[in-house]
Amino acid sequence: QKEVEQDPGPLSVPEGAIVSLNCTYSNSAFQYFMWYRQYSRKGPELLMYTYSSGNKEDGRFTAQVDKSSKYISLFIRDSQPSDSATYLCAMNRKAAGNKLTFGGGTRVLVKP
Amino acid sequence: DGGITQSPKYLFRKEGQNVTLSCEQNLNHDAMYWYRQDPGQGLRLIYYSQIVNDFQKGDIAEGYSVSREKKESFPLTVTSAQKNPTAFYLCASSIDQGASNSPLHFGNGTRLTVT
Repeated sequence: QKEVEQDPGPLSVPEGAIVSLNCTYSNSAFQYFMWYRQYSRKGPELLMYTYSSGNKEDGRFTAQVDKSSKYISLFIRDSQPSDSATYLCAMNRKAAGNKLTFGGGTRVLVKP
Repeated sequence: DGGITQSPKYLFRKEGQNVTLSCEQNLNHDAMYWYRQDPGQGLRLIYYSQIVNDFQKGDIAEGYSVSREKKESFPLTVTSAQKNPTAFYLCASSIDQGASNSPLHFGNGTRLTVT
């Protein structure tokens, strides 16, 4: 079983809809949680970064962490065709430095 | 503009040949990393380096080698010993490898195809 599970998609939504993405994980030692966006044939770019449990909002993006359920989510409001990309979750332990563990990514398609 | 430059974007090699992928950063970051990405799989860490002239194996180092002679540069050699080298290779850097909250910045990758 992988340490971090993520549905590969594709997740297809109409423009303006809310995109809901999530990851589950098995290692309770994970404390730092990140979401990266990756366009085709490009490198990932950091979207959101959260520490421990709770919510974090940045513009149209909201990240949620539920450590008790070992579940993290990313919501994209008012989705645009430019949001079409693969979204990767990543996480690490406090003692692991920057050795991130990544999910496999969810491909999102926002149709005009 | 600060960033990470990976070259070439596409690379084709015959089986049995070693190949070196370039990674240069001008972000003045101490730490650099190499990841491999395969379809449907998460990024997997190959090697990382915290400082010049020092590097450590990641989760899948077999068949790969690296060097860190300069702060800005972290080339990756895919050797003939790597059994399944065809993949998308991503280089990344961060201010401090030891800090769990130091985000990674990625280059745009090199797609290596070995036939």
